[in-house]
Amino acid sequence: QQQVKQSPQSLIVQKGGISIINCAYENTAFDYFPWYQQFPGKGPALLIAIRPDVSEKKEGRFTISFNKSAKQFSLHIMDSQPGDSATYFCAARSGGSNYKLTFGKGTLLTVNP
Amino acid sequence: EAGVAQSPRYKIIEKRQSVAFWCNPISGHATLYWYQQILGQGPKLLIQFQNNGVVDDSQLPKDRFSAERLKGVDSTLKIQPAKLEDSAVYLCASSLGALAYEQYFGPGTRLTVT
Repeated sequence: QQQVKQSPQSLIVQKGGISIINCAYENTAFDYFPWYQQFPGKGPALLIAIRPDVSEKKEGRFTISFNKSAKQFSLHIMDSQPGDSATYFCAARSGGSNYKLTFGKGTLLTVNP
Repeated sequence: EAGVAQSPRYKIIEKRQSVAFWCNPISGHATLYWYQQILGQGPKLLIQFQNNGVVDDSQLPKDRFSAERLKGVDSTLKIQPAKLEDSAVYLCASSLGALAYEQYFGPGTRLTVT
């Protein structure tokens, strides 16, 4: 059962453009929503994260928008650069007796020069 | 600060053979995770350790997969016997505490089962 749905599967953007990746979830118990960036041959690395009590978080060119009522969140990459070409995963944290992340299927972003 | 180390980086085996992966987390990180990443999908948690105890292994195929964390530091993940569908990248990650705010991933081991 996929608990975090991510779209699109792949995305091609021109240099300087805006890249937008969307995620949706069903489990209202999720309490923390990170985005991870993965380059080929490397493990994922934390890019930016948000808590559900905040509607937006910005770090440099990267912004997360969060809509709690719609159970959706998105990553916006402003002024996209070829170096941003990577696979991006959204994730959601569930708590309880132990905290763990559920990842989306990923979005392969290609930024053309 | 040294990152999460994993070995080997690549492994090719035939089905029904056994294989083991090794992970050395970041020093001082109490929580260690093993993930399976099938091509085109996100990482799927297999097992989570807190120090040397298992806190979650609900998605570990226990009939063929096993894992241990020696003395709360290094960890090994074993598959015996391997199946074709086990072909994937096996990622090890660690975090300072149990809250999973930031997980640091190793480069992974790419397993091909033929």
